Amino acid sequence: EVQLVESGGGLVQPGGSLRLSCAASGFTFSNYDMHWVRQGTGKGLEWVSAIVTAGDTYYLDSVKGRFTVSRENAKNSLYLQMNNLRAGDTAVYYCTRRLGYGYGFDYWGQGTLVTVSS
Amino acid sequence: DIQMTQSPSTLSASVGDRVTITCRASQSINSWLAWYQQKPGKAPKLLIYKASTLESGVPSRFSGSGSGTEFTLTISSLQPDDFATYYCQQYNTYWTFGQGTKVEIK
Repeated sequence: EVQLVESGGGLVQPGGSLRLSCAASGFTFSNYDMHWVRQGTGKGLEWVSAIVTAGDTYYLDSVKGRFTVSRENAKNSLYLQMNNLRAGDTAVYYCTRRLGYGYGFDYWGQGTLVTVSS
Repeated sequence: DIQMTQSPSTLSASVGDRVTITCRASQSINSWLAWYQQKPGKAPKLLIYKASTLESGVPSRFSGSGSGTEFTLTISSLQPDDFATYYCQQYNTYWTFGQGTKVEIK
């Protein structure tokens, strides 16, 4: 059974840092592009970051220079290091996978809540 | 950046109705479009990718069409389980979601 389990969310002050993790199981992790998508309370979905199988990384403009995505295939894990957090980053963060170009995001985690507030 | 605009934002319908949601892209995205369903407190669920390919396990009452800049998601006969919010997503250039369409009970 495919599972994606996020962790690491919490309450952090503006300017602070958090590191999100996503533990994957039930599939060959190294074969999939991995993404982070967030959703503010009562708001729509917003794509945040991606790391593809080749290791290339991609970011939403508003998080470039502040967020860093990485993966550790040996540990079937995806990470999102978030620095200099702002109130606008408050959201539930989902990790999700994609087989490759042409496919949608077919499995999602349950999400982890990040709250940026003083 | 490619912008995705869905219409309507909210749709009131009854069980058995045929429902159509439209998604427009600010520039051509070929057929690189997906549709997702999301229920409150839950993660999104992939329904359709490549504009019209039904994801495995998704009921056949869901269908997608379109290419270029205009796309539609159709539910042929709305079921109680279908009341939810639907999002389109382009993946021609990076990834962008529409703002969502809430399908509510009339």
